[in-house]
Amino acid sequence: SYVLTQPPSVSVAPGQTATITCGGNNIGSKSVHWYQQKPGQAPVLVVYDDSDRPSRIPERFSGSNSGNTATLAINKVEAGDEADYSCQVWDPSSDHGVFGGGTKLTVL
Amino acid sequence: QLQLVQSGAEVKKPGASVKVSCKASGYPFPGHHIHWVRQAPGQGLEFVGWISSNTGGTNYAQQFQGRVTMTRDTTLSTTYMELSRLRSDDTALYFCASVVGTTYDYWGQGTLVTVSS
Repeated sequence: SYVLTQPPSVSVAPGQTATITCGGNNIGSKSVHWYQQKPGQAPVLVVYDDSDRPSRIPERFSGSNSGNTATLAINKVEAGDEADYSCQVWDPSSDHGVFGGGTKLTVL
Repeated sequence: QLQLVQSGAEVKKPGASVKVSCKASGYPFPGHHIHWVRQAPGQGLEFVGWISSNTGGTNYAQQFQGRVTMTRDTTLSTTYMELSRLRSDDTALYFCASVVGTTYDYWGQGTLVTVSS
């Protein structure tokens, strides 16, 4: 089955830009979605189809996808952005979503 | 807007079964695939399976086949996930979610299942 690889953790100072990567074989040919999850809560979709944002998500969140790596960028990071972030693609052969292992974003 | 509300936390002994419910409101029940995704402590999200609220058809992840059963009650707009022969590594937060296209757009609040002797 398709495997997505994320770094376990990323740290960034407030006001800086955080980048979280998601690696997969030829992931650039797939649509990648990103979720934010705070402890004990359900995931929240923050970016879909590589780079689109749900209306309730701030413009500070953006995404890109090319080659073997998709990236979530969070500009002007705030303390409230501290959370786990997971990437997800659809596996048509098994007809379900595949998730990356998640990245814990720490705001220093 | 679709809302998914799950049943409460469960504590089970190894070898027992657990049945978690997920009630949908705010949208016509038939027409959604309800997915179940779990998250073990400190781990990532893991697909368990889905059920079609329309047809009752199911699709289970290979690692759960033989232990998981998903059903639905259209009169109650509720889907159920039953996991049998529980082990300690089944301890996790179990979410139901509705997929729109290929994204998990709507999520339940999660149900903590603890397996402990």
